[in-house]
Amino acid sequence: AQKITQTQPGMFVQEKEAVTLDCTYDTSDQSYGLFWYKQPSSGEMIFLIYQGSYDEQNATEGRYSLNFQKARKSANLVISASQLGDSAMYFCAMREGLISDMRFGAGTRLTVKP
Amino acid sequence: GAVVSQHPSRVICKSGTSVKIECRSLDFQATTMFWYRQFPKQSLMLMATSNEGSKATYEQGVEKDKFLINHASLTLSTLTVTSAHPEDSSFYICSASERSGGLNEQFFGPGTRLTVL
Repeated sequence: AQKITQTQPGMFVQEKEAVTLDCTYDTSDQSYGLFWYKQPSSGEMIFLIYQGSYDEQNATEGRYSLNFQKARKSANLVISASQLGDSAMYFCAMREGLISDMRFGAGTRLTVKP
Repeated sequence: GAVVSQHPSRVICKSGTSVKIECRSLDFQATTMFWYRQFPKQSLMLMATSNEGSKATYEQGVEKDKFLINHASLTLSTLTVTSAHPEDSSFYICSASERSGGLNEQFFGPGTRLTVL
């Protein structure tokens, strides 16, 4: 069963505006971690932000913030003040427990328009 | 942050040959390494998990005799695609896991693009 769902195959945003990329997840574990990665055309996976299931506050890293709604099992990524260099694929991922593999959503292709 | 390297970054081979991809953790000891495969315009799919000194655990549908994984040391894991065919053409990405306090961080290599002619 799909554990990570990203329902937006593609998103467009105007430069300097904010954009939200959706991610919902499914797990019965109490301890899990949620991640967002950016993948430019070069293919490298760039870590953006992490949210632990026990973290009470939403994670923030510079222009990235994670809107964590535990009861809804959603972990949306918010990018503020979009830049042209933000155009890339974005993947949401989840790791269950402390020592386990990471499962990825289908990804969202973000295009920032000048 | 921790660095994971992969070699080669790109390889083209003939059908029927074997290709070895190396994944190295450069500045930390990786107790666990993961191998992912990504087809064009798709997500990363986990192929196998390897722990140093033990046999790899393969995901359902991944042929262990075709994708040989060796995790010989705490800094090196190799993936060998045996008797490669055009359908094996893909982007292969490894990641290495290090225990850091309470957070089990996972660091990705830059990937290897395999093209089988």
